[in-house]
Order: sequence, then C-alpha cells, then structure tokens
Amino acid sequence: DTEVTQTPKHLVMGMTNKKSLKCEQHMGHRAMYWYKQKAKKPPELMFVYSYEKLSINESVPSRFSPECPNSSLLNLHLHALQPEDSALYLCASSQYGLGEQYFGPGTRLTVT
Amino acid sequence: GNSVTQMEGPVTLSEEAFLTINCTYTATGYPSLFWYVQYPGEGLQLLLKATKADDKGSNKGFEATYRKETTSFHLEKGSVQVSDSAVYFCALRSNTGNQFYFGTGTSLTVIP
Repeated sequence: DTEVTQTPKHLVMGMTNKKSLKCEQHMGHRAMYWYKQKAKKPPELMFVYSYEKLSINESVPSRFSPECPNSSLLNLHLHALQPEDSALYLCASSQYGLGEQYFGPGTRLTVT
Repeated sequence: GNSVTQMEGPVTLSEEAFLTINCTYTATGYPSLFWYVQYPGEGLQLLLKATKADDKGSNKGFEATYRKETTSFHLEKGSVQVSDSAVYFCALRSNTGNQFYFGTGTSLTVIP
C-alpha cells in the first residue's frame, strides 16, 4: 500500500476560524512533510517531521501549527488565516534518509 | 547548495509527437533524481526515478537517464497521448537529509 490519505478534500474557512488538516500513511515512513502549492507553481515546503519530531520549519507563520501524534499521522492546525493562505496543501511521506516521496491528493483550502 | 532548473513551459504537442522536457541540477554529493506528474486537481505522483549515475528510470513509456557529467535528467517520451497532459516536476533528494528540491514545473498539453 503506497497511499497517503488527506482529509478533508476541500475546506472553506473564515479568517477567525480554527480548523485542522489531517494526513495518514501506513507505509512505515518516518519522514512526513507539509507543502503549500499555489496554482501553476511547484510545492513549497512548510514542515518536515523526522521520527515524529519537527526537523525543518521553513519560517512558516505561527498561524500554521503542525503536529505529529504518531508515526502514521500528521496534522496541520490552522488559525486566523489570511486570504493569501488559500492554496492546495499537500502531505507527503518518505523513508528516512532515502527514497522517493509519496504524496496525498491534497486539501484545497479557501480562506474567505 | 541543491537546486533544480527545469525547462519553462507551457509545452503544446500533437498526439504521437516526441516529448523532451529538460532538467538540470546542482547538488552536493550524490543525489537521487525524480520526475513527478500532477494531473489537474490532484497531488503529485511519482513517474520515475534514478538513484545513481547512468541509471535510467522508466515508466508508462517515459524515460530519463541520470547524467552526472552534464548534471541532467531530461524526461523523454517517444509518442505522447492526450492523457499525458499534465504538469511535470523534476526533483532531487540529496544523499543527506530528508529535504526534496523541485523544479518550477512544465505544463504539457497534448492535442488530438
């Protein structure tokens, strides 16, 4: 099974809302990633978790808060977002230190 | 540092035409190289990969050869189909760490 799942598929939220994006994989991967992707652009790295510990934070605003509760799950908590945060949010996983990334289908986020 | 430079698009081809999308990279050490494809509204899917010099990755009629002497990993397909219309991303992973580096993406449209 090489599947990464993400929920929800679509999300519309106001600037004062709090919501969470969820990601799950069962491939035994110990590196998990959050990316933000704008239309016609490459994925932009936000966070990397290695063995459930945050290892890379690409200077992401604090209104995005990642969490890795266990080796299979990755969450992204959202609070007080801005309209410019509207994008496709992609989760990915890989083996630690080698190999390819597997991507989920993404969550299309719209901030109103 | 690590980076990927990819041929600018968009590219429009007629069905059964030959496809080349150029990709060159800069990396420390011995990176692994990948091509990902993204269909509209979806996440990225691994198309092919190569982990060492002179390796040829292939899948679904697409091929790319890891050329260390020219630091290139060009994507080719002998006869494209309408269903190949998508955005193609070249990517690398250095042999240290868990970070991936993506090119800017090349949008391909194949017309009947």
